[in-house]
Amino acid sequence: GDSVTQMEGPVTLSEEAFLTINCTYTATGYPSLFWYVQYPGEGLQLLLKATKADDKGSNKGFEATYRKETTSFHLEKGSVQVSDSAVYFCALHNAGNMLTFGGGTRLMVKP
Amino acid sequence: DTEVTQTPKHLVMGMTNKKSLKCEQHMGHRAMYWYKQKAKKPPELMFVYSYEKLSINESVPSRFSPECPNSSLLNLHLHALQPEDSALYLCASSQDYAFNEKLFFGSGTQLSVL
Repeated sequence: GDSVTQMEGPVTLSEEAFLTINCTYTATGYPSLFWYVQYPGEGLQLLLKATKADDKGSNKGFEATYRKETTSFHLEKGSVQVSDSAVYFCALHNAGNMLTFGGGTRLMVKP
Repeated sequence: DTEVTQTPKHLVMGMTNKKSLKCEQHMGHRAMYWYKQKAKKPPELMFVYSYEKLSINESVPSRFSPECPNSSLLNLHLHALQPEDSALYLCASSQDYAFNEKLFFGSGTQLSVL
């Protein structure tokens, strides 16, 4: 079946540091890929998505590129802020199925 | 209005209590979902309603009983829960079941079972 693997957290960074959160997947066919973010005390919000190979999703300074050759969808941001502290979930979707979430990666940004 | 509203935000109940969680959306979405999230884990799907009919039940124990009174409302009735059922319960909606990858989540109900 489909699966998503994320790097274990927490990831602790200083403000303005560069962020990478790794995500790799196993799936049949041509899934769509997503990053969801969960801020403390809230539900998940869709951060960005990519629907086909080589697509780049971007939002709020975050980016991720759908790499079919490496089955990866790593999340990056050039300069993190304290307000980016949250849990980030990588997810994939295959037609006819429900979303498959990765285990989540907690990001802590210190001033 | 792009919100999914859940009430209550926090709930403490005993194992013999009966309580209900409520979820509401006014985006015209026709698919609604219940997820259970334990601390430091991803959400786990419990139920899916599509056009007010139960489409998916992920083998959830009968002490959890979902209800969809109309296209805007989703309830989760709780009875005789166990301490291990303590978790964050998240409601979500999507435009249609076919678009179930783009979910709008509520803030959740943090449930503690004593």
